[in-house]
Amino acid sequence: DARVTQTPRHKVTEMGQEVTMRCQPILGHNTVFWYRQTMMQGLELLAYFRNRAPLDDSGMPKDRFSAEMPDATLATLKIQPSEPRDSAVYFCASGPTPSYEQYFGPGTRLTVT
Amino acid sequence: GIQVEQSPPDLILQEGANSTLRCNFSDSVNNLQWFHQNPWGQLINLFYIPSGTKQNGRLSATTVATERYSLLYISSSQTTDSGVYFCAYSGGSNYKLTFGKGTLLTVNP
Repeated sequence: DARVTQTPRHKVTEMGQEVTMRCQPILGHNTVFWYRQTMMQGLELLAYFRNRAPLDDSGMPKDRFSAEMPDATLATLKIQPSEPRDSAVYFCASGPTPSYEQYFGPGTRLTVT
Repeated sequence: GIQVEQSPPDLILQEGANSTLRCNFSDSVNNLQWFHQNPWGQLINLFYIPSGTKQNGRLSATTVATERYSLLYISSSQTTDSGVYFCAYSGGSNYKLTFGKGTLLTVNP
């Protein structure tokens, strides 16, 4: 049963700490997306990659957020330093191409105190 | 900018009732998906439907790209259908999915 996996599922941290979220896309999918969901903003795209290369990260605060794909089976989203306003659910999604169906992971619920 | 509007924002049904959810979008479509976010927060793919009609059990969807809208039909609703239904859209040469605000569906027994 192919699915996107994300770790950790929950993370509570203090303001100023580094947070790393990981995603394993579905095998064979060459496109990976990072989304953030909050009550105020809803679901918004932060960044996406195709064949491990970043295509668009315009939705991401550049000063504290970074996204990478060290290899085809791992995507990471880092926040350094974290702030309370970063509290949200972060979803990773993958797809066979950028314009086709996207499949979402279970999300990482981040709380920054 | 790209706009995605969903209606209604909230819907309360009795089990067994049918419903239609609507998604209007602002530009030519290259990707349109319907998702169900269950009470545990999981986003579940329902349909990838940039055009045409698809059916999956009690659910079906239709997208009329020329008129810039998509409809999700839920028939014989069950309590497990409760949750938020999102329409997500990208258009033109842009692959970034923009999500609507969702329709909160509550199905009562």
